[in-house]
Amino acid sequence: QSALTQPASVSGSPGQSITISCTGTSSDVGGYNFVSWYQQHPGKAPKLMIYEVSNRPSGVSNRFSGSKSGNTASLTISGLQAEDEADYYCSSYTSSSTLVFGGGTKLTVL
Amino acid sequence: QVQLQESGPGLVKPSETLSLTCTVSGGSVSSATYYWSWIRQPPGKGLECIGYVYYSGTTNYNPSLKSRVTISLDTSKNQFSLNLSSVTAADTAVYYCASLNTAAFDPWGQGTLVTVSS
Repeated sequence: QSALTQPASVSGSPGQSITISCTGTSSDVGGYNFVSWYQQHPGKAPKLMIYEVSNRPSGVSNRFSGSKSGNTASLTISGLQAEDEADYYCSSYTSSSTLVFGGGTKLTVL
Repeated sequence: QVQLQESGPGLVKPSETLSLTCTVSGGSVSSATYYWSWIRQPPGKGLECIGYVYYSGTTNYNPSLKSRVTISLDTSKNQFSLNLSSVTAADTAVYYCASLNTAAFDPWGQGTLVTVSS
C-alpha cells in the first residue's frame, strides 16, 4: 500500500486560514468516508482532530474542519494561532481493511 | 476514559524479535467497541500503521510487515502486544499503541522508542 500524498509544508500568518490536502486513490480516500486527521507537536503523540472526513471529537476547536472530494481529502484550519504550529497527518481506511497514513505536513505559523 | 501505556525493551539486537506490550486502563480489550492497534514512527519520519487486533482475536497487518508481525490480546491482564521478528536498523522507531474506532486512532499511548543496534 502506498502512503497518501500530502504537501511537505504549508505556512500562514496568525488569523489566516490554511488548507492541507491529502490525495489517495479510489481504494482508500475515494472509496470510504473513513478519513481522519492528526496533529502532532514535537516529541508528543499524535492527537485526533477529525474523523470520518468531517467530524470533530469533543474538545477539538471548531477552527478545524475537514472535507473530501473524490480521491482528495482536505483539512482546513481557520483563524490560525501560534499553537497550531505542528505536523499534520491524514489517514484513510483501505480496501484491504488496513489503514494508511499520509507522509505528513509541517505547518508553520509565521 | 480509555488510557494506554506502552512498555518493553528500548534496545533490541539485529535479527532478534521486538516485543512490546500496551496496557489499557479505563476500558476493556474484550470490548467490541474498539480495535487495538500499533503504529510506529521512525526518527524524523512519518507514521506507519503496523496492524490491529479485535476483541475476537481477528487481526489485520500492514502488507509490508505481515510476514514478521504478530499482534495478540491478553484479556486476563487487559493488555495487547506486538511482536516483530528479524528486526533491522530500519525498524528503529517510536512505537505507539492506540485504540481504533470508526477507522480513527484515539486515544494514543505516549509512545516508546525502540532502537535496533548491536
